[in-house]
Amino acid sequence: GDSVTQMEGPVTLSEEAFLTINCTYTATGYPSLFWYVQYPGEGLQLLLKATKADDKGSNKGFEATYRKETTSFHLEKGSVQVSDSAVYFCARDTGTASKLTFGTGTRLQVTL
Amino acid sequence: DTAVSQTPKYLVTQMGNDKSIKCEQNLGHDTMYWYKQDSKKFLKIMFSYNNKELIINETVPNRFSPKSPDKAHLNLHINSLELGDSAVYFCASSQAGARNTEAFFGQGTRLTVV
Repeated sequence: GDSVTQMEGPVTLSEEAFLTINCTYTATGYPSLFWYVQYPGEGLQLLLKATKADDKGSNKGFEATYRKETTSFHLEKGSVQVSDSAVYFCARDTGTASKLTFGTGTRLQVTL
Repeated sequence: DTAVSQTPKYLVTQMGNDKSIKCEQNLGHDTMYWYKQDSKKFLKIMFSYNNKELIINETVPNRFSPKSPDKAHLNLHINSLELGDSAVYFCASSQAGARNTEAFFGQGTRLTVV
């Protein structure tokens, strides 16, 4: 079935460090791929998305490229800030039905 | 303006009670969802409604009964609450038929069963 696997956290980085959070998905159908972010005590917010192979989603300095050949959608940011501390979720849709399948979430902690 | 709002934000109740969580969206979407987030932050879909019609029911116990009086509302009623129901419940909405089914989430309802 549809699934998403992302690296386990927590990830602890110093401010201005480079961030990568790995995400892979099962290659069933032609899914759209998403990264959602959950700040402490809040709901999920869409961070970025990509709808087809080789698309790059970007927002707030974060980027992720839809790689069909490796079934990956890794999240990257060149220089993290303390305010980026949150839980990040990779997700895919089913391609045909209105349903998102999420990864387990990766907690990012950025320190000064 | 709040896009997806759910109430209450916190709910503490005893085992065996019946409780409801309400959700409303003002985005004009035709599809609404309930997701459950457990203590390890794992998110799993419970239900999905499209234009008031149930389209996804992910093997949720029948103590959970969603109700959609109109396409802007999707309430969740839980009977005979159990300790294992303690979690954060998120309501979400999206526009079905779009190629990228971006979902908008509410703030969550933290349910604690004691």
